[in-house]
Amino acid sequence: GQNIDQPTEMTATEGAIVQINCTYQTSGFNGLFWYQQHAGEAPTFLSYNVLDGLEEKGRFSSFLSRSKGYSYLLLKELQMKDSASYLCAVSPDRGSTLGRLYFGRGTQLTVWP
Amino acid sequence: KAGVTQTPRYLIKTRGQQVTLSCSPISGHRSVSWYQQTPGQGLQFLFEYFSETQRNKGNFPGRFSGRQFSNSRSEMNVSTLELGDSALYLCASSPDPANTEAFFGQGTRLTVV
Repeated sequence: GQNIDQPTEMTATEGAIVQINCTYQTSGFNGLFWYQQHAGEAPTFLSYNVLDGLEEKGRFSSFLSRSKGYSYLLLKELQMKDSASYLCAVSPDRGSTLGRLYFGRGTQLTVWP
Repeated sequence: KAGVTQTPRYLIKTRGQQVTLSCSPISGHRSVSWYQQTPGQGLQFLFEYFSETQRNKGNFPGRFSGRQFSNSRSEMNVSTLELGDSALYLCASSPDPANTEAFFGQGTRLTVV
């Protein structure tokens, strides 16, 4: 089966840095996604990693280690609006990156003033 | 450019009934995937369609079915509804399955009573 694990909840203070970890065991691997989902809203794309290493995009960075089945999302200079659920998802199928994604249950991040 | 449109947004049905949900992808997008989101299980993959063909199907009973039309619009149908089918049903579209960014609709909140 497919197994994607991430912490259920995290809290942090405005202006701080937080790292959300994700470990995975899947039948195949064709990339790892991070999505942000605010309560009552649709998930929105944050990042995609297919090769090992760090991808930086503004205040958000995502890291992947394929050999360890591990990724993390790093959020810097936290703002209140970053309070949301962060979803880790793995694409197992070559040639079909977005066709079928396996999601973790999400990490609910609360940012305090 | 309009986003992914899902209709209806909210739906209440009774056990044993059937329901049809609709998803209109972003113009020009030919790939549509469906997911079920519940508090207990998170986001779970239901179907993937591309150019009117079902490419992948998740681990759901046969009561769940779907299709895609020539204009890329997609529908999913759930027959003989059960209480456990209560969930947020999300549709995601992308230009093609190999693309790395999917856009999610707001979802249809189905409540089975």
